Amino acid sequence: QVQLVQSGAEVKKPGASVKVSCKASGYTFTSHTVHWVRQAPGQRLEYMGWINAGNGNTKFSQKFQGRITLSRDTFASTASMELSSLTSEDTAIYYCAREPADGYYMDVWGSGTTVTVSS
Amino acid sequence: QSALTQPASVSGSPGQSITISCAGTSSDVGNYNLVSWYQQHPGKAPKLVIYGVSKRPSGASDRFSASKSGNTASLTISGLQAEDEADYYCCSYAGVYSWVFGGGTKLTVL
Repeated sequence: QVQLVQSGAEVKKPGASVKVSCKASGYTFTSHTVHWVRQAPGQRLEYMGWINAGNGNTKFSQKFQGRITLSRDTFASTASMELSSLTSEDTAIYYCAREPADGYYMDVWGSGTTVTVSS
Repeated sequence: QSALTQPASVSGSPGQSITISCAGTSSDVGNYNLVSWYQQHPGKAPKLVIYGVSKRPSGASDRFSASKSGNTASLTISGLQAEDEADYYCCSYAGVYSWVFGGGTKLTVL
């Protein structure tokens, strides 16, 4: 079955960077876009950006411009999200989600990766 | 973009119907038939319940229905069940390959 398995929880100090990975299985990785969404404790879902796993094209929400890097490893069927210059406001659960072939929504989600930023 | 506007909470008794609204703008909800809805139980990842304004993914309950009028989308859950108690988020394509979520609505089944 289609699955997205995310990397484990991270604890980082302010100013550091974090990289979260998302390994896909059960479908052709390069045929779909992967989206990234985060959720701070008790808060709403916040859209971060996407990567086309086929051609590597990316786009980010303006809020994260300059701090976010999205990449993919087609051989490992894995998408990754790196966020730099972390502050306590980046403490959140980070989700990856697949966009299906008919597009414009997210049909399968990873279980989330908790990132805690604390000194 | 600013988040889409949803009521913070709604409630209903088992068997009743409830509707959650999702107000956007002419740049997102009003301009595209690309609204999706997600259900999120505490401590769990979001789960798709509606896409393309009113389409149900395979396996989704037919008690979930949705529509759109102008800049506002709506999700209706009929025959409320205890398992429906969760947070619900709308999401809209906002053009130029960008997406925006709503603020989320907490559904309480009384």
